[in-house]
Amino acid sequence: QSVLTQPPSASGTPGQGVNISCSGSNSNIGRNYVSWYQQLPGVAPKLLICRNNQRPSGVPGRFSGSKSGTSASLAISGLRSEDEADYYCASWDDSLSGPLFGGGTKVTVL
Amino acid sequence: QAQLQESGPGLVKPSQTLSLTCTVSGDSINNGDYYWTWIRQPPGKGLEWIGNIYDSGSTHYNPSLKSRVVILIDTSKNQFSLKLNSVTAADTAVYYCARDNRYWGSQEWGQGTLVTVSS
Repeated sequence: QSVLTQPPSASGTPGQGVNISCSGSNSNIGRNYVSWYQQLPGVAPKLLICRNNQRPSGVPGRFSGSKSGTSASLAISGLRSEDEADYYCASWDDSLSGPLFGGGTKVTVL
Repeated sequence: QAQLQESGPGLVKPSQTLSLTCTVSGDSINNGDYYWTWIRQPPGKGLEWIGNIYDSGSTHYNPSLKSRVVILIDTSKNQFSLKLNSVTAADTAVYYCARDNRYWGSQEWGQGTLVTVSS
């Protein structure tokens, strides 16, 4: 598997919630933690969620992660205009001995 | 918290070797908890893991690039480097270095450097 599977796009109006799915396999998500990254235009990705559901210091509580089996999801509640960005899931892959990334989901705030 | 900074040429000719260095500050590259990682992002596309190196010098590479990639570490300079040979236009991308942990993810990234492959 070359990438984890994410929907290419998601959208919502301010204040709404958005969910982004991420599908993998037993060699990655099924046996390892999932991370999520937010990438604003023109800048490096920023770690949003680690260890499936933990938020690094400074990440708002509106962002939450979950994992079940070989799939994971990122939930954004109370959408704000500054949440408009690309979101990537990632999980360590045992066959690579490195991280495997999702293809990315572009979130649009309508 | 570590800071990472990529450096190297922004333009490389086809068939030549792309060489980048990542300088780490704020922490020792000998910190055994992390992999030192290269990731790239072609214009308008997603993230692609290139490979990583541990402070012992042990490396792992993306199978799709393995035949063309070498990652080295210089603990005396607190740096690690990327060499990608026989480049083509498909290697044009923003190249990021990052500090990665298989449990905690990549918390620190460099700002990224755009490398264009063109004659």
